[in-house]
Amino acid sequence: DVKVTQSSRYLVKRTGEKVFLECVQDMDHENMFWYRQDPGLGLRLIYFSYDVKMKEKGDIPEGYSVSREKKERFSLILESASTNQTSMYLCASSSGGLLSSYNSPLHFGNGTRLTVT
Amino acid sequence: QKEVEQNSGPLSVPEGAIASLNCTYSDRGSQSFFWYRQYSGKSPELIMFIYSNGDKEDGRFTAQLNKASQYVSLLIRDSQPSDSATYLCAVNKGRAGRRALTFGSGTRLQVQP
Repeated sequence: DVKVTQSSRYLVKRTGEKVFLECVQDMDHENMFWYRQDPGLGLRLIYFSYDVKMKEKGDIPEGYSVSREKKERFSLILESASTNQTSMYLCASSSGGLLSSYNSPLHFGNGTRLTVT
Repeated sequence: QKEVEQNSGPLSVPEGAIASLNCTYSDRGSQSFFWYRQYSGKSPELIMFIYSNGDKEDGRFTAQLNKASQYVSLLIRDSQPSDSATYLCAVNKGRAGRRALTFGSGTRLQVQP
């Protein structure tokens, strides 16, 4: 079974702090994703990566950056946390790289509920 | 216009009935379509995907795709209380280099015992 592990289930941070959310997958998947989920807005894509050291902006990248130094690990960084970044953050992975089939499903981690005060 | 639209619900059906969940999408270039189920406080889990026009069945679930109408639906036969969850429709828009899914905001289904 695919396992996507997010390092923290709950996080509370202060405004202006630099925040790191870590995600590790154990299935040698090429693609990794960060989404945030808010009531009424669904899942919105922040960033994704289809290879080590490669990244692409999603729909809402402002205020975030990412790092993918190893295939299995994809980190989301909030450079200076703000209260509007309070949300549930979901990491996901899928098989296949840039030229893969479009049918690869996403496998999600358990999520990190981040509160910024 | 949202790229992927779903009625937020709740959709309430009695146990044993057929639940019909609908989703429309705006990008005609979309290539594949996914249904995820999300229980409260949990992560989304894949139910099934479809990429050809018509029906695809998997157990009690049937996905239906009509690309001309830009419409995808999920039917759940013999609905059970354990099917009560939020159902997310997701679309792969198929732009070159983009392997990310765009999600609707979900439909909450309640199955009444």
